[in-house]
Amino acid sequence: DAKTTQPPSMDCAEGRAANLPCNHSTISGNEYVYWYRQIHSQGPQYIIHGLKNNETNEMASLIITEDRKSSTLILPHATLRDTAVYYCIVRVGGYTGTASKLTFGTGTRLQVTL
Amino acid sequence: ETGVTQTPRHLVMGMTNKKSLKCEQHLGHNAMYWYKQSAKKPLELMFVYNFKEQTENNSVPSRFSPECPNSSHLFLHLHTLQPEDSALYLCASSQGGTPIETQYFGPGTRLLVL
Repeated sequence: DAKTTQPPSMDCAEGRAANLPCNHSTISGNEYVYWYRQIHSQGPQYIIHGLKNNETNEMASLIITEDRKSSTLILPHATLRDTAVYYCIVRVGGYTGTASKLTFGTGTRLQVTL
Repeated sequence: ETGVTQTPRHLVMGMTNKKSLKCEQHLGHNAMYWYKQSAKKPLELMFVYNFKEQTENNSVPSRFSPECPNSSHLFLHLHTLQPEDSALYLCASSQGGTPIETQYFGPGTRLLVL
């Protein structure tokens, strides 16, 4: 699976949009971009995924550049409860016939402040 | 609630003890995972089970012994652990082998080895 690069930390004021970047310049054509987050001392939580189109769900939006070498997770109105470590992961999609693993990096620690 | 439960939530054990961690998923998934998260380190995959069969052992010491009696239950048996094994142990499940494979994590067991 392709490697990702994320800034180690970011701050965001409550109510403002949080834009978390991820670089995945070696991504392959069949690899998806996944975002998870981990609130302190809890298990990671799935947020969103995408292949090449922009995606939106009730939690966030995912913007993937046209060349797919980078992406941005957008939390439109960050709250204190969004303070967490955010992980960008790329992995192969498609029918693999077996369970596949996620490789977590160090992620971005987002601190939402008043 | 993610549909994945783990017990106990906290565990303190001596190096000569034997204990077991339990994970149960209520999502109908066919794949289950054990991860280890040490302080200040990324999540490390330990074991993967697909349809009750172990498909990945990420060079885990034999003092950790997994057991998967069925697709809904996963155990991690611990014996003669070392203090450096103190960590958060996370269980996850997914519908393995599907094009988009999202993992759902339990809350974790925080283990302290004295």
